Amino acid sequence: EAQVTQNPRYLITVTGKKLTVTCSQNMNHEYMSWYRQDPGLGLRQIYYSMNVEVTDKGDVPEGYKVSRKEKRNFPLILESPSPNQTSLYFCASSPSGGILTYEQYFGPGTRLTVT
Amino acid sequence: GQQVMQIPQYQHVQEGEDFTTYCNSSTTLSNIQWYKQRPGGHPVFLIQLVKSGEVKKQKRLTFQFGEAKKNSSLHITATQTTDVGTYFCAGPYAGNQFYFGTGTSLTVIP
Repeated sequence: EAQVTQNPRYLITVTGKKLTVTCSQNMNHEYMSWYRQDPGLGLRQIYYSMNVEVTDKGDVPEGYKVSRKEKRNFPLILESPSPNQTSLYFCASSPSGGILTYEQYFGPGTRLTVT
Repeated sequence: GQQVMQIPQYQHVQEGEDFTTYCNSSTTLSNIQWYKQRPGGHPVFLIQLVKSGEVKKQKRLTFQFGEAKKNSSLHITATQTTDVGTYFCAGPYAGNQFYFGTGTSLTVIP
């Protein structure tokens, strides 16, 4: 089954404790992206990747890191989480980015609480 | 940065009534996408519009892309309880970055 998976689905952590949210897709998509969703603000893009070893900042990259060592995986790293990073996070993938955009497939989401 | 605004933020309708959400971008878009997110779920792609003035229909849903490619709308005819959810528009900027609208949350009262 074609899908985007994220782990963990729920996470409660404390300020400053490094964490990683994993994202994996099995559709051989080139484009992958991370979003955070907050009430009233919609989805805001954190980072995106056009292909392996190619990553770039989205609209709200502060406090986050990503890597794209393999085509299928795109982990989101919070080196020192803070309470303002409490949010619902979605990973998404698409066949490609650029001018010819395609639909994005979203993972189930990770609800993160930082206390 | 870029802005994509949607109105209204919330809409409550009686089942059978029509519903419309509007999406406005601060800059011209090469294309626009629409997504639906059910409560507790993840966004799911509905449609993509590319051409200026384009109109597409999916059963009771009608999507329009403005002539200037800066605005779009989604109209649902005769809403059903299965239409409940939040509807987002989204567009690419600088080719690679994606901006989502603020979303319209639709509640359908049976």
